[in-house]
Amino acid sequence: EVQLVQSGAEVKKPGESLKISCKGSGYSFTSYWIGWVRQMPGKGLEWMGIIYPGDSDTRYSPSFQGQVTISADKSISTAYLQWSSLKASDTAMYYCARQDEVGYAIWGQGTMVTVSS
Amino acid sequence: SYELTQPPSVSVSPGQTARITCSGDALPKKYAYWYQQKSGQAPVLVIYEDSKRPSGIPERFSGSSSGTMATLTISGAQVEDEADYYCYSTDSSGNHNWVFGGGTKLTVL
Repeated sequence: EVQLVQSGAEVKKPGESLKISCKGSGYSFTSYWIGWVRQMPGKGLEWMGIIYPGDSDTRYSPSFQGQVTISADKSISTAYLQWSSLKASDTAMYYCARQDEVGYAIWGQGTMVTVSS
Repeated sequence: SYELTQPPSVSVSPGQTARITCSGDALPKKYAYWYQQKSGQAPVLVIYEDSKRPSGIPERFSGSSSGTMATLTISGAQVEDEADYYCYSTDSSGNHNWVFGGGTKLTVL
């Protein structure tokens, strides 16, 4: 079964760093782009960026460039989204999704990140 | 930055046809994709490449695109179709700059 499994919910303080993960299984992890999507509480979906684990080619939405870092470790079929200094406004649900021939057909279950002092 | 514009809400009675629009300057050249998101769940792809339906998506879901507007049509909407719907596409820069529309809340009652 093709699936993406994300790491668990996080509660952090402003200024702390964080790295969340998205592990792919059931397919060739290096052959498909993995995208990250933010959903702030009660708001819509926002495309953050995308990575091709085969060669780590990474693209960012202009809105998120410089705010987050997307990476991948193909040896363990895992993509990451990380922050160096969290803000309260980073509180959101974060989804990873596999981009294939038909679009984002496979999604992770989401990781809730709460940033509060 | 590139934007896709959707109406905030659409409301229909069960059995009626719901149409959700998405406008964007690059849509004449770029495909639109549609995602359904029910409360508390991850999004689900319902239409890709303007009008194609993934396996497992009911036939009542269809898509079309003309000029700068893409449309998701739900023919004979069911109560279980009540959800947020998002269009998704890219600008014409070729730089992988993808965006979601603001989302449309479909109410079926």
